[in-house]
Amino acid sequence: EAGVTQFPSHSVIEKGQTVTLRCDPISGHDNLYWYRRVMGKEIKFLLHFVKESKQDESGMPNNRFLAERTGGTYSTLKVQPAELEDSGVYFCASSQVFASEQFFGPGTRLTVL
Amino acid sequence: AQSVTQPDIHITVSEGASLELRCNYSYGATPYLFWYVQSPGQGLQLLLKYFSGDTLVQGIKGFEAEFKRSQSSFNLRKPSVHWSDAAEYFCAAQYSGGGADGLTFGKGTHLIIQP
Repeated sequence: EAGVTQFPSHSVIEKGQTVTLRCDPISGHDNLYWYRRVMGKEIKFLLHFVKESKQDESGMPNNRFLAERTGGTYSTLKVQPAELEDSGVYFCASSQVFASEQFFGPGTRLTVL
Repeated sequence: AQSVTQPDIHITVSEGASLELRCNYSYGATPYLFWYVQSPGQGLQLLLKYFSGDTLVQGIKGFEAEFKRSQSSFNLRKPSVHWSDAAEYFCAAQYSGGGADGLTFGKGTHLIIQP
């Protein structure tokens, strides 16, 4: 069975540009999470989907970040416009309904110049 | 505020030696606790988890962790490390007590293995 996949693995953009990150969860997992790790800091929770609904988006840093999960399958995280402080590794995770164990993808490393 | 502390940023041990990585959690109620490992280029892999019951939990790759309520700790141990254990280790907590909420992570500990 395929694990959580993320695309792209790396992205380098200039300040002010737009970037869209994609996450494909494990098939059948209703819960989908986005996390971010800024260099030197801990991995921080951004938001949680249950199917296509946003269950908790308390960790989203500001309105430049937009997450979607149309149809309850894959999810996208768009950053528009990107700022220097958005650089970091963005992780996606998924889990079964009511399950605490989350399965993580390899992450997308975003560099904003 | 809810937080997880991993006091050691780097730890170096010799191959074959024992290992203990420290983790402390904050907040009043006992959260669900996890240890993840990340090898270069890989996602986070779950090593073990504690929800309730026996305070010594066994995980994959020969790792174990002990939950100590009195110390708010959940330290990870391995009796004999292998070179392949070199990676970054993350302690995490879920404070919703059984729900599917997001995890709170520590800053991670880099494990370096000396030959």
